[in-house]
Amino acid sequence: ETGVTQTPRHLVMGMTNKKSLKCEQHLGHNAMYWYKQSAKKPLELMFVYSLEERVENNSVPSRFSPECPNSSHLFLHLHTLQPEDSALYLCASSQAQGSQGTDTQYFGPGTRLTVL
Amino acid sequence: AQTVTQSQPEMSVQEAETVTLSCTYDTSESDYYLFWYKQPPSRQMILVIRQEAYKQQNATENRFSVNFQKAAKSFSLKISDSQLGDAAMYFCAYRSALASGSRLTFGEGTQLTVNP
Repeated sequence: ETGVTQTPRHLVMGMTNKKSLKCEQHLGHNAMYWYKQSAKKPLELMFVYSLEERVENNSVPSRFSPECPNSSHLFLHLHTLQPEDSALYLCASSQAQGSQGTDTQYFGPGTRLTVL
Repeated sequence: AQTVTQSQPEMSVQEAETVTLSCTYDTSESDYYLFWYKQPPSRQMILVIRQEAYKQQNATENRFSVNFQKAAKSFSLKISDSQLGDAAMYFCAYRSALASGSRLTFGEGTQLTVNP
């Protein structure tokens, strides 16, 4: 596999379920990101991990819980979600090169989440 | 906070013609990076082109080029010899150069239709 992969590609869950989204990058990068893309809204950054430490948490509700066990894997654990959480969840990775790095982000194909 | 504005929700172009997508941004920083991403119906976010703000020369990638006007805070994308495969949602994005692993701020996107 190459690039950034995400599983599952589609997920339907009830409000009381617990599920996890998985992202894996095969690019040797050291930073990973979760974005949320809702209909008719710009992409919103949720979390940033750099060198496996969370460096940014963009005021995301606690029903979303990220986990980065190593530089290649990123999870988003979901529990007691609301219907308005239905969206496309995109994972991205980049190679942080210090303050002067271009740090271009490469995206996975996304997980389409529907909360019933 | 930085903002990115794409004032054209939809654009269309005839196959083989040229089209320009507009993007403006607001920032108080002097060093940053700008990107254009393409999101086809598959929802995969694909990097099209990037520009470092400290470079005066406009970036070019094959049929894609930008017109970067730093003073005007404008970053338009020109697609030459448009192809049916260029049909997609195009997002302009900004990233600060102050720290690596930092967020991308996206515009709302422009839906490009290519007519045969």
